[in-house]
Amino acid sequence: VMTQSPATLSVSPGERVTLSCRASQSVYNNLAWYQQKFGQAPRLLIYGISTRATGIPARFGGSGSGTEFTLTISGLQSEDFAVYYCQQYNSWPLTFGAGTKVEI
Amino acid sequence: QITLKESGPTLVKPTETLTLTCTFSGFSLSTTREGVGWIRQSPGEAHEWLGLIYWNDETRYSPSLQSRLTITKDNSKNEVVLTMTNMDSVDTATYFCAHRRGHSFFDNWGQGTLVSVSS
Repeated sequence: VMTQSPATLSVSPGERVTLSCRASQSVYNNLAWYQQKFGQAPRLLIYGISTRATGIPARFGGSGSGTEFTLTISGLQSEDFAVYYCQQYNSWPLTFGAGTKVEI
Repeated sequence: QITLKESGPTLVKPTETLTLTCTFSGFSLSTTREGVGWIRQSPGEAHEWLGLIYWNDETRYSPSLQSRLTITKDNSKNEVVLTMTNMDSVDTATYFCAHRRGHSFFDNWGQGTLVSVSS
């Protein structure tokens, strides 16, 4: 089970935000983060805990280990307001967190 | 460039069988380690992984839905088909297909298709 917190984060452009994701058991480094905007497909941001996917800006950073993970967005921009999900791909069944909504 | 697109009915009746097709480009499901997965998202809910199929025809399914799901592929058409039997209103969701290489993350997703279950 992947647990994300908080459910909603109200922030202003330019701020730094930290999103949390906790796994019920170790997923080692098999952790990804996705961004999803309303009506769109999820977009891969981070994989392997901290590796940015192709084309993802450096303001997105991932960290953590084992069961505790963090997605940090430094200098929030208008296009970053979205819902963020974590996902473990260490073991079956593949599971996603419920998401953190980052809103203005 | 990898692209995927889901197609199928937007409305099915309770107890009916849902068949969705994922048409993809930019990779081949006959190439080692390539895979396509299905994920759904009910309104206001988290993503739920349904299953996936690999280049070698290996399939994996969500334990909670395994008895209702079948995933097949047609390499000649670059298509993956999801079949879900005995549909219920709780299966109303947006269904996505996504590309996966080996035992890793989903790096490319389709736009999703909304399926409603109602009589």
